[in-house]
Amino acid sequence: AQSVTQLGSHVSVSEGALVLLRCNYSSSVPPYLFWYVQYPNQGLQLLLKYTSAATLVKGINGFEAEFKKSETSFHLTKPSAHMSDAAEYFCAVRNNAGNMLTFGGGTRLMVKP
Amino acid sequence: NAGVTQTPKFQVLKTGQSMTLQCAQDMNHNSMYWYRQDPGMGLRLIYYSASEGTTDKGEVPNGYNVSRLNKREFSLRLESAAPSQTSVYFCASSVNRGPQETQYFGPGTRLLVL
Repeated sequence: AQSVTQLGSHVSVSEGALVLLRCNYSSSVPPYLFWYVQYPNQGLQLLLKYTSAATLVKGINGFEAEFKKSETSFHLTKPSAHMSDAAEYFCAVRNNAGNMLTFGGGTRLMVKP
Repeated sequence: NAGVTQTPKFQVLKTGQSMTLQCAQDMNHNSMYWYRQDPGMGLRLIYYSASEGTTDKGEVPNGYNVSRLNKREFSLRLESAAPSQTSVYFCASSVNRGPQETQYFGPGTRLLVL
């Protein structure tokens, strides 16, 4: 069985500061990993995904994530937070059969002026 | 190109009432999914349809039924709503069901069961 743990249900940063959202996964097979963002009252949008091509994955809006197999982690980072980054972020892992996308509990990012 | 659309946006039901949540996609995707979102639990898969004419249970199927009406439409039915089904429901679609496939989500339906 696969699972995803997101450490910290709420993260608060100042505008311009580094954003680090943590995601750890468990999977019995090489995983496919995703980060999604959800703005208030909207559906989820894909930020980036890891499909084993490269361990450092760049996504939209300046976000990137690094796959570290030894740490079973896929943390999301952005060098400088913008007010517009305030949203909820979900890490997800997909099994090889492709039919189950398992989500973490989400991290709500707040950006202070 | 509207992507994934869902109706209604909001719904209030009384315990025991039934309703159908509608989902449609115009991206010619083969696979469609229904999730529910509850605070602190992320999204959990209710049912999915890998292709037209097939449906399969996800993680939390009890109390729900689905119909893949055609390639575009995938509906979710609550036959006898319960307060535990108060949630936000998201429909999603992907080209196929492969592990690398990106899922595209609709805007959600907020359901309150009293």
